[in-house]
Amino acid sequence: AQKVTQAQTEISVVEKEDVTLDCVYETRDTTYYLFWYKQPPSGELVFLIRRNSFDEQNEISGRYSWNFQKSTSSFNFTITASQVVDSAVYFCALRGGATNKLIFGTGTLLAVQP
Amino acid sequence: KAGVTQTPRYLIKTRGQQVTLSCSPISGHRSVSWYQQTPGQGLQFLFEYFSETQRNKGNFPGRFSGRQFSNSRSEMNVSTLELGDSALYLCASSLASTDTEAFFGQGTRLTVV
Repeated sequence: AQKVTQAQTEISVVEKEDVTLDCVYETRDTTYYLFWYKQPPSGELVFLIRRNSFDEQNEISGRYSWNFQKSTSSFNFTITASQVVDSAVYFCALRGGATNKLIFGTGTLLAVQP
Repeated sequence: KAGVTQTPRYLIKTRGQQVTLSCSPISGHRSVSWYQQTPGQGLQFLFEYFSETQRNKGNFPGRFSGRQFSNSRSEMNVSTLELGDSALYLCASSLASTDTEAFFGQGTRLTVV
């Protein structure tokens, strides 16, 4: 069975703090994809990153960085120097290699206080 | 390039009625997936369509159905609405292959009273 766990329900930080959102996944597929999405109050899920199971390189995009570790089945997301505009719900998702079906975690609500 | 367009944005229906939601994917995208988001169950996969064929279906009752047209636009229908069907319904568009990201629309917020 496939499963995504985001243990952090809510995180509150003060602007300019660094914050890490945790994601742990379970799958029996050897080929799979991991995603992070941001959901602002407007409701739309905004795509942030996609990673395939064969690429464990960490990635940095501006203030965002992702740490993928197959050994611990984790795909964590760090925001450096957080800003108020980062306030949103963040979802981690998993997709098996033979389907377009996304399995989502329960999401982490990030509140960045000014 | 236009994004994924979902209409209507908001709907209020009465128990027992039926409803049809529409999704226009990004131009050139041939795969459309639907998700239901509720506070209790989170984001759950409903079904996926590709080239007018349902490729995958989630664990929802038969009251939930969908279809895709030749221009890749998709509709989902819910019959005999129940209070528990109140949710944000999100549509995702993908090029085709599983090796691509899915882009989401803003969703349709359905309230059943």
